Amino acid sequence: ETGVTQSPTHLIKTRGQQVTLRCSSQSGHNTVSWYQQALGQGPQFIFQYYREEENGRGNFPPRFSGLQFPNYSSELNVNALELDDSALYLCASSRGLAGSTDTQYFGPGTRLTVL
Amino acid sequence: KNEVEQSPQNLTAQEGEFITINCSYSVGISALHWLQQHPGGGIVSLFMLSSGKKKHGRLIATINIQEKHSSLHITASHPRDSAVYICAVRSAGNQFYFGTGTSLTVIP
Repeated sequence: ETGVTQSPTHLIKTRGQQVTLRCSSQSGHNTVSWYQQALGQGPQFIFQYYREEENGRGNFPPRFSGLQFPNYSSELNVNALELDDSALYLCASSRGLAGSTDTQYFGPGTRLTVL
Repeated sequence: KNEVEQSPQNLTAQEGEFITINCSYSVGISALHWLQQHPGGGIVSLFMLSSGKKKHGRLIATINIQEKHSSLHITASHPRDSAVYICAVRSAGNQFYFGTGTSLTVIP
């Protein structure tokens, strides 16, 4: 059963602004991954955090950054927003060591619109 | 060039039909995931495979590591199976790659 929550559900920003998206992992999970899903596309891997350290990053520029906190909740920060950043942002948590093959549990996503 | 390719992109079936969705990948992997995404965005992990075959209810997932290919089968399909099915792989370098999804519609 997924216990991953994300906030906010929807968000509208303008170009150049900054945004912070939040994810609360399922209890007992110490790994969180963030994904960007543009409309009609499959998700794209942004990065993964394990025990507060970045543990893998996809092909996203440095203006996409993240944090994982001691309680394993997580933030995705995007600076200098561009129109193409409009997408559904998904986080997923999993239990276990980085690089393990544990099942990921997805949150409902945050839909970001950049105008 | 996508590291993960799915086929078909769209699929319409009559209720009760047997459905197969295919996934091919080009990277070395530690695991392959089949995901289900309903309208509105919610994603549910259906299977995680590193070898062989798994079955859960009417869903069966297989993987052939040598051929870098996986299939998701749905037996006795039902309208509630209508969703987008996504194949995703976790590479040996801890990168995640996703297919673009197969949109399945099951007609009563």
